[in-house]
Amino acid sequence: EIVLTQSPGTLSLSPGERATLSCRASQSVSSRHLAWYQQKPGQAPRLLIYGASSRATGIPDRFSGSGSGTDFTLTISRLEPEDFAVYYCQQYGSSLYTFGQGTKLEIK
Amino acid sequence: QVQLVQSGAEVKKPGASVIVSCKASGYSFISYHMHWVRQAPAQGLEWMGMVNPNGGATGYAQKFQGRVTMTRDTSTSTVYMELSGLTSEDTAVYYCAREYPAAINFDFWGQGTLVAVSS
Repeated sequence: EIVLTQSPGTLSLSPGERATLSCRASQSVSSRHLAWYQQKPGQAPRLLIYGASSRATGIPDRFSGSGSGTDFTLTISRLEPEDFAVYYCQQYGSSLYTFGQGTKLEIK
Repeated sequence: QVQLVQSGAEVKKPGASVIVSCKASGYSFISYHMHWVRQAPAQGLEWMGMVNPNGGATGYAQKFQGRVTMTRDTSTSTVYMELSGLTSEDTAVYYCAREYPAAINFDFWGQGTLVAVSS
């Protein structure tokens, strides 16, 4: 089973700043099968990025994804107040689906 | 528009079983696999398994093998997740999530169903 490790656990930033979130896999992941989700308190997760770098429908272009192999990154170019939430990466491989443990993005 | 509407919260005793439903609308029900993901209080997301509405084939995470059953009813566009042998560690919010086939991730989610296990 592929383990996804996200860092940092918590990221404290101010609106307008740039956020960089990391997702590292224990073995190589197909970029096609790497996704990022945003979850706000009391809500279901929302798909942000699929295929490592493609934005889902309706996702603002301040969100971008990159990476390949074992290292993937979610970048939020200029934080808006509504971006403070928990972010999860997720992968599919060998008929298994796994999530990272999440990065909490909080207001500094 | 795509909607996944789940059944309401449940409170169960240890050892009991629970069935959570997820009614889909706004798309071709049999064309997309449906998954179940759970989230324990203040914890991350955990994939439980999936059902193919077209034929009913299933696949479960090893952790839940023998304890979970996922089924579907094509006449009502509803999927079901039954979890047996409940313990306090099964207290969680359970989500159904539709699989986006091109990238094998989850593009639409239900609102979540809280299952609380307590004596």
